[in-house]
Amino acid sequence: ETGVTQTPRHLVMGMTNKKSLKCEQHLGHNAMYWYKQSAKKPLELMFVYNFKEQTENNSVPSRFSPECPNSSHLFLHLHTLQPEDSALYLCASSQVWTPGAKNIQYFGAGTRLSVL
Amino acid sequence: DQQVKQNSPSLSVQEGRISILNCDYTNSMFDYFLWYKKYPAEGPTFLISISSIKDKNEDGRFTVFLNKSAKHLSLHIVPSQPGDSAVYFCAASSNYNQGGKLIFGQGTELSVKP
Repeated sequence: ETGVTQTPRHLVMGMTNKKSLKCEQHLGHNAMYWYKQSAKKPLELMFVYNFKEQTENNSVPSRFSPECPNSSHLFLHLHTLQPEDSALYLCASSQVWTPGAKNIQYFGAGTRLSVL
Repeated sequence: DQQVKQNSPSLSVQEGRISILNCDYTNSMFDYFLWYKKYPAEGPTFLISISSIKDKNEDGRFTVFLNKSAKHLSLHIVPSQPGDSAVYFCAASSNYNQGGKLIFGQGTELSVKP
């Protein structure tokens, strides 16, 4: 148990569906992240939130829409996805970054998404 | 352009022997490096890290070595155990800019055989 919980663990959706992924952290962190991991590829950072404010959008298509209502919760809203969006989506949290400090991120177990 | 590379997708080692996982990076601004371990159906878990002011950091059976001139780091596991079988990711960041963003390698799948 890492203190970061993601739901659902598995999701199958059609290209016209709308769904949401949820992430909750119980570590008292103030920074939260969404990553995408496709087969045989490195983890790709998608979004970063610090103190509920989005500080990074790594050129992610608008069909992925993040929401961070508070420092403990993070959502990823999905709509009109493509089959190539099928991947493992990982949420992570950390203490908010400060220069010179160690930035250790703690990950959830991920949501395995299949887009048909 | 991949800034962090793990060129060995897989590694097989006998139980009790040493496992050496390698990682290369290209960005000289990176000054903090981490190793994560990932079991199937779980998220990556933090294993060990090293700052660029050091060349070695040890934690139990795990030791990370950093060679800044070669832009290379390695993770040594001694002795290897079957429970160490997992995918290992190295990650790098610049703690003085880029907001501490982690850049990950592709991972190396370690298999420790009894």
